[in-house]
Amino acid sequence: NAGVMQNPRHLVRRRGQEARLRCSPMKGHSHVYWYRQLPEEGLKFMVYLQKENIIDESGMPKERFSAEFPKEGPSILRIQQVVRGDSAAYFCASSPESVGHEQYFGPGTRLTVT
Amino acid sequence: GQSLEQPSEVTAVEGAIVQINCTYQTSGFYGLSWYQQHDGGAPTFLSYNALDGLEETGRFSSFLSRSDSYGYLLLQELQMKDSASYFCAVNEAGTALIFGKGTTLSVSS
Repeated sequence: NAGVMQNPRHLVRRRGQEARLRCSPMKGHSHVYWYRQLPEEGLKFMVYLQKENIIDESGMPKERFSAEFPKEGPSILRIQQVVRGDSAAYFCASSPESVGHEQYFGPGTRLTVT
Repeated sequence: GQSLEQPSEVTAVEGAIVQINCTYQTSGFYGLSWYQQHDGGAPTFLSYNALDGLEETGRFSSFLSRSDSYGYLLLQELQMKDSASYFCAVNEAGTALIFGKGTTLSVSS
């Protein structure tokens, strides 16, 4: 059973460009979470989605950031007009129905903004 | 506001026992989880406590006291491979997790 998959693993963008991060949850999981981690820091919750629905986006910046989890295909975290402060590791996690405490994480995407 | 406090670093030797404490202050509480992360890799789930008491999973145990807003992760028979960062996380509203800043455990021979 394949785990959570994220791509790309590393992404370099210049300031002002767009970054698109993809996440495919574990088979059978319908809940997806996105977290951001800065060096030497814990993971900060950004957004929680189910298929075609954003359930909780309280951790996501109001501007430039958006997320989706379409009926078909992976979940996408999109960052428009990236700035240096967006450089971080972005982790996606998935969980089975109503088991939010046990989340399965992907390997992360390391975003570097130059 | 939300806060989870845990020590930033812990060191121990192989074969020893180490306890990583976590105190939390959150607006909601469903339970306390523990995750392990090696070198910035994917965090992996270790244990979860929703009720007071001790949960044992092999060499790892986790404890929760809801009245004290306190929990700990106990690692026994430490091995070099246990060197990693350990995060406590609160399930605040049954969905997303609120993570502490992590404890870096260094195990030496």
